[in-house]
Amino acid sequence: DVKVTQSSRYLVKRTGEKVFLECVQDMDHENMFWYRQDPGLGLRLIYFSYDVKMKEKGDIPEGYSVSREKKERFSLILESASTNQTSMYLCASSLFRGGGGALLNTEAFFGQGTRLTVV
Amino acid sequence: AQSVTQPDIHITVSEGASLELRCNYSYGATPYLFWYVQSPGQGLQLLLKYFSGDTLVQGIKGFEAEFKRSQSSFNLRKPSVHWSDAAEYFCAVAPDSNYQLIWGAGTKLIIKP
Repeated sequence: DVKVTQSSRYLVKRTGEKVFLECVQDMDHENMFWYRQDPGLGLRLIYFSYDVKMKEKGDIPEGYSVSREKKERFSLILESASTNQTSMYLCASSLFRGGGGALLNTEAFFGQGTRLTVV
Repeated sequence: AQSVTQPDIHITVSEGASLELRCNYSYGATPYLFWYVQSPGQGLQLLLKYFSGDTLVQGIKGFEAEFKRSQSSFNLRKPSVHWSDAAEYFCAVAPDSNYQLIWGAGTKLIIKP
């Protein structure tokens, strides 16, 4: 059974703290993603990574950074947490899309989410 | 810019009634299309996907979706909803040239007993 695991379900942190959210997948997927989810806004992409040590900014990267030292692990870092970063954070992974237009199984598999509260 | 629209923020249906959730996308070619469901406090689970071929796609939990190219739509349907279907439903599109999924804002389904 495929699995994406986020290290915490709930986190409470103080303003200004450095926060690490960890995500591990066991499917040997190349692509990994971090989203935040807020009511009425759907899912917004923060960062994604298509290979080890590679990363690309998504739609809302400000205030965040990421690390992908190993294929199975993708970490989201809040350098200095602020109250407007209180949100649900979702990690996902997917297979690499083949070249020449061939589409591999690109559906995303999600972790259970981390609800972060910054006080 | 590519976009996905789910025009209904909330939908309320009675248990046993039929359901249709709407999804429209803005994209020149035929994208790859997905519906996901999110139960309260959980991550997202794939319900079904369309890549090519038959435009009526069957998914898990008794859901189906129909791709209509002329309307740029990919609406989700279920003939008879159960209380356990109460959740938020997200439509997503993968343009051919991109790793990313473009997401709709979601539709929250409420089931009346």
